[in-house]
Amino acid sequence: EVQLVESGGGLVQPGGSLRLSCAASGFRFSDYWMSWVRQAPGKGLEWVASIKQDGYENYHVDSVKGRFTISRDNAKKSLSLQMGSLRAEDTAVYYCARDNLQNQLAPSSFDIWGQGTMVAVSS
Amino acid sequence: DIVMTQSPDSLAVSLGGRAIINCKSSQSVLYKSNNKDYLAWYQQKPGQPPKLLIYWASTRESGVPDRFSGSGSGTDFTLTISSLQAEDVAAYYCQQYFSVPTTFGQGTKVEI
Repeated sequence: EVQLVESGGGLVQPGGSLRLSCAASGFRFSDYWMSWVRQAPGKGLEWVASIKQDGYENYHVDSVKGRFTISRDNAKKSLSLQMGSLRAEDTAVYYCARDNLQNQLAPSSFDIWGQGTMVAVSS
Repeated sequence: DIVMTQSPDSLAVSLGGRAIINCKSSQSVLYKSNNKDYLAWYQQKPGQPPKLLIYWASTRESGVPDRFSGSGSGTDFTLTISSLQAEDVAAYYCQQYFSVPTTFGQGTKVEI
């Protein structure tokens, strides 16, 4: 079964750090762009970051640049998001998502999503 | 960044009725070299992750009922649910992936 399972969320104080992980199974992980998408409580979807199949190209939304870093380990079929200098506005459910198409040159639509992990930033 | 604007924000449709959701992009998402529109639609039910319905503006994802259809090109797109079922109550989002950052519309809530 194709599956993504996130972990690592929790309550953190403003200015703190957190590392999210996403374990992939059931597909050739190294063939796909992978991404993080977040959703603040009661709000819409916001793309956070994407990383290319080989890990050598990545993109982050402006609001997290310099604070968050996406990475992957193809041998372990794992995606990560290192989050630092956290702010209240980073509070959201964070979803790990797989690109819809294999071997693309750029991230596209997302066909497989995890159930999400909640990150709450509050003192 | 490309801004995606959906309309309406919410709509109520009778069971068996037609739901039409519009999505407008601030610039064209049509890539002329392959004549593809880089536009996707998602459905999200409460407490669940989004589900991909449509990509390339009109290609239905595997397993998605054929009552869901996507149309449009360039900057104006439409998601149509031809005969609304109770299980279609959800929020719907469009997404452009023509350029980074990929961006989503604000969402449209569909109710019975």
